[in-house]
Amino acid sequence: EPEVTQTPSHQVTQMGQEVILRCVPISNHLYFYWYRQILGQKVEFLVSFYNNEISEKSEIFDDQFSVERPDGSNFTLKIRSTKLEDSAMYFCASRVQGINTEAFFGQGTRLTVV
Amino acid sequence: SQELEQSPQSLIVQEGKNLTINCTSSKTLYGLYWYKQKYGEGLIFLMMLQKGGEEKSHEKITAKLDEKKQQSSLHITASQPSHAGIYLCGADGYTGANSKLTFGKGITLSVRP
Repeated sequence: EPEVTQTPSHQVTQMGQEVILRCVPISNHLYFYWYRQILGQKVEFLVSFYNNEISEKSEIFDDQFSVERPDGSNFTLKIRSTKLEDSAMYFCASRVQGINTEAFFGQGTRLTVV
Repeated sequence: SQELEQSPQSLIVQEGKNLTINCTSSKTLYGLYWYKQKYGEGLIFLMMLQKGGEEKSHEKITAKLDEKKQQSSLHITASQPSHAGIYLCGADGYTGANSKLTFGKGITLSVRP
């Protein structure tokens, strides 16, 4: 069964460093998403991406965040200068259509900022 | 924005018992999704409901969407330890062809053997 793959599964980084989280969505999917889940809290929407551009972003997704689809298969989330409060589980998701279809989620990247 | 309230916050049941959890929206739901999450893992899709009054079942889990499309329930029959986890409801916010899924806080289910 096709799946969304995320790497790395865990990342520890020093405050102020840049991190790139990587995702390989399901191949025929066109809509891509990043979500964040701080330990013990709800799954929060960060950004949606379609047709090589951001469709929507939340207030969490400030200038420190960026997304890219560099090569037609990978979908990346970059955090330019990490803060302690960026520590969370980050999930990538993709789906065939932008509405009324199942979103497939990756297993997540656990980011710890120290 | 779409707000989803889930109740109860957590639930502990004895194996073999039935249970129902709920998800209520502040707005009409255009697509309602149920996902399950094991602690520290990704979200696993369970079911999607779109039409008022719709009901779907998979194995021992049944999900319903009310006629007004503002409330959904998830019912588990004869619960097993494998049903333990966090159950999240999610909804499409209507923004045209491309919608973000927003989620409730989730309900933590524990099943005692």
